[in-house]
Amino acid sequence: DAGVTQSPTHLIKTRGQQVTLRCSPKSGHDTVSWYQQALGQGPQFIFQYYEEEERQRGNFPDRFSGHQFPNYSSELNVNALLLGDSALYLCASSLGSGGFQPQHFGDGTRLSIL
Amino acid sequence: GENVEQHPSTLSVQEGDSAVIKCTYSDSASNYFPWYKQELGKGPQLIIDIRSNVGEKKDQRIAVTLNKTAKHFSLHITETQPEDSAVYFCAALRALNAGNMLTFGGGTRLMVKP
Repeated sequence: DAGVTQSPTHLIKTRGQQVTLRCSPKSGHDTVSWYQQALGQGPQFIFQYYEEEERQRGNFPDRFSGHQFPNYSSELNVNALLLGDSALYLCASSLGSGGFQPQHFGDGTRLSIL
Repeated sequence: GENVEQHPSTLSVQEGDSAVIKCTYSDSASNYFPWYKQELGKGPQLIIDIRSNVGEKKDQRIAVTLNKTAKHFSLHITETQPEDSAVYFCAALRALNAGNMLTFGGGTRLMVKP
């Protein structure tokens, strides 16, 4: 049973560039949430996708956008990268957007901005 | 919005001792409280969760307690082993019909000395 998979594992970009991160949910899951984890801190919620729509958004600027595909996989796009965007980006999947469904995380993409 | 505080930030115990990590939350409407374990280079792994209609839940050496009145919940690990060494995160969520956002604490680095 495949868990949540994310690609790439590591990425180096420079300020002002754009980046796309990818996530495949755990088998049987249909909802994908994205989190940003700065070094030494807890993950912070970016947004959640269900039925190819953004269902909830955290306190992140419009430079952060996403997409969910019909096969439930998802992309996170970040434009005009800043040094402060350097972090581990985590994808979590669950079954359904509401209720008490546990969220299961992938191992993340480590993004470094030079 | 929700705010979750976690203590202590670091915890060192001898193998075989117990470890307790405490969290407080601010939103009285939060009703789901998961705990995650994060090892170096990995994503957070769900280890136990509790809903607000339950006061305590146990799974082998791990237990979680919830005090809704005081708005705090705790993770208890008994008979600690070196493989329990990791960063532990508590989180809180208000389960809605759509769009569930986890709010995480700042993490506790647990070190179990052999």
